[in-house]
Formats: sequence, C-alpha cells, structure tokens
Amino acid sequence: KAGVTQTPRYLIKTRGQQVTLSCSPISGHRSVSWYQQTPGQGLQFLFEYFSETQRNKGNFPGRFSGRQFSNSRSEMNVSTLELGDSALYLCASSLGQLLYEQYFGPGTRLTVT
Amino acid sequence: DQQVKQNSPSLSVQEGRISILNCDYTNSMFDYFLWYKKYPAEGPTFLISISSIKDKNEDGRFTVFLNKSAKHLSLHIVPSQPGDSAVYFCAARGGSRLTFGEGTQLTVNP
Repeated sequence: KAGVTQTPRYLIKTRGQQVTLSCSPISGHRSVSWYQQTPGQGLQFLFEYFSETQRNKGNFPGRFSGRQFSNSRSEMNVSTLELGDSALYLCASSLGQLLYEQYFGPGTRLTVT
Repeated sequence: DQQVKQNSPSLSVQEGRISILNCDYTNSMFDYFLWYKKYPAEGPTFLISISSIKDKNEDGRFTVFLNKSAKHLSLHIVPSQPGDSAVYFCAARGGSRLTFGEGTQLTVNP
C-alpha cells in the first residue's frame, strides 16, 4: 500500500505570494491532518479534515486554509506569505475518526524570502 | 499554552544502554498517547502508543510507561542502537486532534 504523498517536496516563495500544498492520503484513509514544524516548536496542528469536513482547527491565522476532496486528497493554502511561514508542512492520514495512529508524509519544505 | 512538553531537547546515550525519553502533559482529558520517531528529511513514523487506561505497553525494545497521576509518560529503549538516533515526539489525543511535544533529539553513540 502506498504511503502518504505530498507535493511539492520543496518550494521557494516570496513574501506576499500565496501557495498551495497537496497531500494524498493512504488509500482508504478518510482523515487528513496538517501540521507546521519549525525548529524548537515541535509540530503545530493546523487543521484536520474528515470526509470533506473540517473537524478541528488549530490556532493559526485565517491566511491558512485547507480543503478535502471526495477522494480524501487534501490541499492546504497559505495566502499573503510572511517570512515566519517558512517551515516544514506535514500531512498525516488516519483510517477513522479516532486518530489512533497517524501516518505522515515526507512533508513540503516551504521557504519564504 | 503548551499542553504537551518534552523538557529535554537532546539526549545522548551509549550503544547497548537504556534510553529514557520523557514527556509531561497538562490536559487530563487526553485519552491516548503516542510516540513518533523522525529522521531528517522524512515525516514522523509511528512507534508505539498507550491508552490512558493502561500504565505500560511494550513492543520489542520499546516500552512506554504512563503515570496518570503525575501526567507523565516515558519511552524506554533497551538496548539502544545507533539506528535509533532520531528526533522523538510524544503526542496526546484529545477529541479529534493530536497535540505534539517539541521533540527530543536522541543520539546513540557506538
């Protein structure tokens, strides 16, 4: 079974631009969560989608948004990029609603200049 | 506020010895705890978990202990191997989200 895939793996953008990241979960997984990882901050929860509905949202500004499609694939969008948005963005999928285990993709490394 | 904390940013041990990674939490509503391992340039991989109704779970060289009264969990790796060198994250489940600690860099020296 293929793992979680994320595209692109690396991205360089300039301040003020917007970016869209994509995540394809493991086949059959309906829950997709997004995290931001920065040095010393661990994994900060962005949001979680289950069956195309956002079930939970972390403490990030409205510039961060996401969606999930009927095939469970998910996209995350960041508008008006700031230097502080430079981070590794990780997507994780899990089978059901209870998040017993999440399986992570390799992440997208976003650099904002 | 940081509901899950890993107070040691790094830990260095000798090959063959025990590695003990610690994690503290503040939210008594967390009902499930997990440990993940992360290598550079890769996403975290699930290692071991424990339900809040248990106090110990063992899987090969890895054992997780949960002390609910102290709101503390630990991961024991015995014996430690150089391949265990990675960042270890603890995570706690509350509702439909996982809250992660900041991570501990484990280095196992040959």
